[in-house]
Amino acid sequence: DIQMTQSPSSLSASVGDRVTITCRASQDIGTYLAWYQQKPEKVPKLLVYAASAFQSGVPSRFSGSGSGTEFTLTISSLQPEDVATYYCQKYNSAPFTFGGGTKVEIK
Amino acid sequence: EVQLVESGGGLVKPGGSLRLSCAASGFIFSSYTMNWVRQAPGKGLEWVSSITSNRGYIYYADSVKGRFTISRDNAENSLFLELSSLRAEDTAVYFCARAGPYSSSFYFDYWGQGSLVTVSS
Repeated sequence: DIQMTQSPSSLSASVGDRVTITCRASQDIGTYLAWYQQKPEKVPKLLVYAASAFQSGVPSRFSGSGSGTEFTLTISSLQPEDVATYYCQKYNSAPFTFGGGTKVEIK
Repeated sequence: EVQLVESGGGLVKPGGSLRLSCAASGFIFSSYTMNWVRQAPGKGLEWVSSITSNRGYIYYADSVKGRFTISRDNAENSLFLELSSLRAEDTAVYFCARAGPYSSSFYFDYWGQGSLVTVSS
């Protein structure tokens, strides 16, 4: 099975900072990659699908990129409301594995 | 408005069984692949199972294969997950989630609030 590895597992940044989260697949998954945001005690929310397509309502400071085995989620200017854990997920074929998550905090 | 409401969670002994339900509304249920995703306390997300719109394809995570059974009733707009031979490591919040609009869209655009399953003696 394809493994999904996120890095870092956690980060602390200042408001206004540019934040980048990386997700690596152990095999080529094309652009079958989604990103989710889960705020504390909340339900996960879809941010990005097809590696770079935005779900409706997602703020423009979020962007997704990549293909094949390496993907990134970037927050161009970190805001207090972005405190959350972010997960990537592959969906080219079953199992539809999630990455381990990246916890983003404000410094 | 899309709504997914899970029910059926609770406390069950190791080796026991439980049936989770998810009532869907606000969209054409029969047109979408539906899924279960779980999250153990303090842990990350784990995909559990998926069933396509016409039940043509069913998928399971290796960790639950042979113990869990996913099903759906398109007439009742409902998704189910039968959990059996439960283990302590199955303790988690179980989320019902809708997949994207295309047959290859196994990402999850709407989620329920979750139903807690606790496996303990």
